[in-house]
Amino acid sequence: DAGVTQSPTHLIKTRGQQVTLRCSPKSGHDTVSWYQQALGQGPQFIFQYYEEEERQRGNFPDRFSGHQFPNYSSELNVNALLLGDSALYLCASSLSGDRVYGYTFGSGTRLTVV
Amino acid sequence: DQQVKQNSPSLSVQEGRISILNCDYTNSMFDYFLWYKKYPAEGPTFLISISSIKDKNEDGRFTVFLNKSAKHLSLHIVPSQPGDSAVYFCAASAWTSYDKVIFGPGTSLSVIP
Repeated sequence: DAGVTQSPTHLIKTRGQQVTLRCSPKSGHDTVSWYQQALGQGPQFIFQYYEEEERQRGNFPDRFSGHQFPNYSSELNVNALLLGDSALYLCASSLSGDRVYGYTFGSGTRLTVV
Repeated sequence: DQQVKQNSPSLSVQEGRISILNCDYTNSMFDYFLWYKKYPAEGPTFLISISSIKDKNEDGRFTVFLNKSAKHLSLHIVPSQPGDSAVYFCAASAWTSYDKVIFGPGTSLSVIP
């Protein structure tokens, strides 16, 4: 079963650096959403990509940017890392317009900023 | 501004009994609601959903109830099993931005054998 694949699984970066996280969606899905989950909190919506464009965006600064490729895979980029960016970053894929079954999530990338 | 609230951070239930997880929302534009379950070191997995045109939806041991006037929904698990021990997230989306799903902070359920 080709679910959602995220890489890397863990990452340690220094404050001020830049990071790129990658996501391959579930087969048949065309929409990718990115979430940030801090310890003890629920996932917070960062943005969503559909047809290679950002369709929705949450309350995150421009340091957070993304991209979707023609094969529907996606990247999340974070520039000028802050200590507060340390979190679990979740990628979720879905089929646009399908509200019944919700998202399929990957296992996440654990980012630690030191 | 937390649009989806889960006021109980944790819940403990005996095996075989009913687990009731509660969720409140503030955005009246929300018209689709979902529950996700998350085990440690894994991403959330979809459990059950309900449209605002319904007040109840069942799937096996899981039932979700929606009270639109109170902006409240609940997830019932009957009977509870030790494998149900996980963090449960309530989530919602609005018809105006239906692919944007907003999550609550989660409730950690422990089912005691």
